[in-house]
Amino acid sequence: AQKITQTQPGMFVQEKEAVTLDCTYDTSDQSYGLFWYKQPSSGEMIFLIYQGSYDEQNATEGRYSLNFQKARKSANLVISASQLGDSAMYFCAMREVNTGKLIFGQGTTLQVKP
Amino acid sequence: NAGVTQTPKFRILKIGQSMTLQCTQDMNHNYMYWYRQDPGMGLKLIYYSVGAGITDKGEVPNGYNVSRSTTEDFPLRLELAAPSQTSVYFCASSYSRSTSDEQYFGPGTRLTVT
Repeated sequence: AQKITQTQPGMFVQEKEAVTLDCTYDTSDQSYGLFWYKQPSSGEMIFLIYQGSYDEQNATEGRYSLNFQKARKSANLVISASQLGDSAMYFCAMREVNTGKLIFGQGTTLQVKP
Repeated sequence: NAGVTQTPKFRILKIGQSMTLQCTQDMNHNYMYWYRQDPGMGLKLIYYSVGAGITDKGEVPNGYNVSRSTTEDFPLRLELAAPSQTSVYFCASSYSRSTSDEQYFGPGTRLTVT
């Protein structure tokens, strides 16, 4: 069965520092997509970054980068130069190829300290 | 282009009551999904649809029903509400089931059953 594991329930980071949020996944599919979403206290789901299973380079989107290690089945999110507005819940998710559904991890709450 | 809209934003139901959560998208997306998010948890799939007239169960379908008579609308029906259905409900859509295709989320409906 496909599964996403996020082992850090909560993280703190100092403003302007970088932080890594961990995500490991389990799947027997050869083709899959990995996503990170941000959920601020207002509750909406905000797409951050995508990594395809066949992509050889790590994805980057502005201050977000995805450290993709396929052999270890990990897809960690790196946020550089943290800002106060980065305080939120972050979810790692995998897109299943047959149905297109997203399988979510339990999330990591990030708090950025001034 | 409004994206994915959901109504209502908030609702309180008494045990045993029924209601329909509305979801509409204006992006001509074929695939639509209903997820629920319990407090402090990731999202879980309730039902999904691959096009008008076609729906299928997700991980947690018990107590819910869906229909998809048009491409735009994908309502979720709760029959005989129970406290276990207290949750935040998200509707999402995507053009295809491709693993690289982003899912667009609505703002969510916060439901409390007492």
